[in-house]
Order: sequence, then structure tokens, then C-alpha cells
Amino acid sequence: GAVVSQHPSWVICKSGTSVKIECRSLDFQATTMFWYRQFPKQSLMLMATSNEGSKATYEQGVEKDKFLINHASLTLSTLTVTSAHPEDSSFYICSDPSHTFGSGTRLTVV
Amino acid sequence: AQSVTQPDIHITVSEGASLELRCNYSYGATPYLFWYVQSPGQGLQLLLKYFSGDTLVQGIKGFEAEFKRSQSSFNLRKPSVHWSDAAEYFCAVGGNNFNKFYFGSGTKLNVKP
Repeated sequence: GAVVSQHPSWVICKSGTSVKIECRSLDFQATTMFWYRQFPKQSLMLMATSNEGSKATYEQGVEKDKFLINHASLTLSTLTVTSAHPEDSSFYICSDPSHTFGSGTRLTVV
Repeated sequence: AQSVTQPDIHITVSEGASLELRCNYSYGATPYLFWYVQSPGQGLQLLLKYFSGDTLVQGIKGFEAEFKRSQSSFNLRKPSVHWSDAAEYFCAVGGNNFNKFYFGSGTKLNVKP
């Protein structure tokens, strides 16, 4: 089946810095990828849909200037959390169009 | 509006007992339904999915789920639970294979020895 590789699996960063999370579709040419966020003890909420070669589609309430999404190729989508703050600490996870998920990234902002 | 309801936040069962996790959905088109399992700090593993055809779907690890259109339900079942099944289970609904998902709030399963 499809495999989605997500990196890093965890990251700790200081407030005000930016963090980039990569999501690779290893055997599926993905024109679309999905980014989710999961707060502790909560469900997954879709943040945005990345579109290869065009702008991402953000869900209501998600700040597009804070969560920059780039989908430059059919196998790679990236999420950059800019000027991170402690409230951005969360579990971020991506999926490909077949809804195969990456292993997730635990972000802690200190 | 699209939504998924998992009415049970926590469930505890004894090892070897049967299990049923409930899932109800609301979706404006033909639903594609999924069950995922998540161990603490881990990503999501697909247990099974329903697109069409036979309404009883078999998945991995001995799980099955039954799609009941009249009840808008897609309950997950396992005849005999193992201690390793302790995890959080998420039901999700989407459109076709390339549409975004809506997740339920999850059911945390504890297994008593």
C-alpha cells in the first residue's frame, strides 16, 4: 500500500522561531496532500489542503500566514509554522489523497 | 453539514471479551468511511475502509465494521479483544478517495487483564 513519510517525528523550538515539517508520498504521485492538527486528548482537525503547483486551501480559522504550506512536487508537501508560540504546540500529521497518514510530528514550542 | 460522532469517549473491556465501538456520521453525499487506530504519540494506522459493495467490511487485526445506511452508522467490532488493542480509535468520513476527511472525537479503549 501507499507509504507517507513525515519528518521530523518530534521537534522542540523556541518561541519566535520557525519550524518546517516535511511530508513525502513515497509511492503515490500526490497532487493533493492534507495537513491535520491534533491537540492533546482531542481529535484531528483538518488545517489545510496543499495543492501541487498552486496555493493551499485553508480551513476556516487557520492562519495562512502562520502556517505556510508549499507543495512544490508530486511527492513533497511542507508545512512551516512561522513565528511559533507555545499555543502552536501540537501534533501535526499529513495524509495523501488515499488517506494514508504519516507518522506525525510532535511540535513543542518553549 | 458533515460530521462524525463517536458517542463513547472511553471504553474498558476485559481481554478476550467482544468489542463494539460506535460511529455515526452525517454526510451530504455517498460516504466513504474509515476506521483508524492511534497508539500514544504515534500516527494513524488504517484498520479498514468502506467505499461500496458488501456492507460488512473486514480489516486488519481481526476487526470488522458494518455500514448501515438507514442508521448512518459504521460501528467497529472485534469478537475477542487482546491487550495490544488498547489504543485510541477514530472513525472518519469523506467523499471520494480524494476529498478531505472529517474525524470523530475518538474512543479510547482500555483492556483489562
